[in-house]
Amino acid sequence: DAGVTQSPTHLIKTRGQQVTLRCSPISGHKSVSWYQQVLGQGPQFIFQYYEKEERGRGNFPDRFSARQFPNYSSELNVNALLLGDSALYLCASSLDVGDEQYFGPGTRLTVT
Amino acid sequence: AQKVTQAQTEISVVEKEDVTLDCVYETRDTTYYLFWYKQPPSGELVFLIRRNSFDEQNEISGRYSWNFQKSTSSFNFTITASQVVDSAVYFCALPIYNQGGKLIFGQGTELSVKP
Repeated sequence: DAGVTQSPTHLIKTRGQQVTLRCSPISGHKSVSWYQQVLGQGPQFIFQYYEKEERGRGNFPDRFSARQFPNYSSELNVNALLLGDSALYLCASSLDVGDEQYFGPGTRLTVT
Repeated sequence: AQKVTQAQTEISVVEKEDVTLDCVYETRDTTYYLFWYKQPPSGELVFLIRRNSFDEQNEISGRYSWNFQKSTSSFNFTITASQVVDSAVYFCALPIYNQGGKLIFGQGTELSVKP
């Protein structure tokens, strides 16, 4: 079975631009979570969705938003990009809320 | 407070040595789980284990073993006879179930296994 997939793999954007990152969960998984990982640190929780509803939100500004589609895939949007948004963005899926989370390969975002 | 501390930032060993990675956690929950993940240079987090706070028995999987002690709030990870392929960053994580199961990660321990 395919694991969690994310696209694109790498992305370079300019300050002030907007970006959309995509994630497809493992087949059968209904929960998707997003994390931001800055170099040298552990991942920080951004959002969690289950059955298309937001179930958790981390301490990130309103420039960050996400949604989950009927097929359980998800998008993370970041508006008005700042240099500090440069990071590895990880998507994770799980069968249900609270189950072990399986991570995708991540999208590396560079903001110049 | 809900917190995970991995005090060892970097560890370097020679192949075939045993190595233990420390994890100390804080939680106000009486029932909880703890996870370990491996992050190789490729960047993808690989799930290694989930432990329930009810079960303090040591877990062994091949060369990997985990020691869970509630009395000291620790969940340590030992690699026996380390190999170069074990080189990675290892994260301990605590899920917060009243916040959708979000994971609180430690800072990670970078393990370097030299031939």
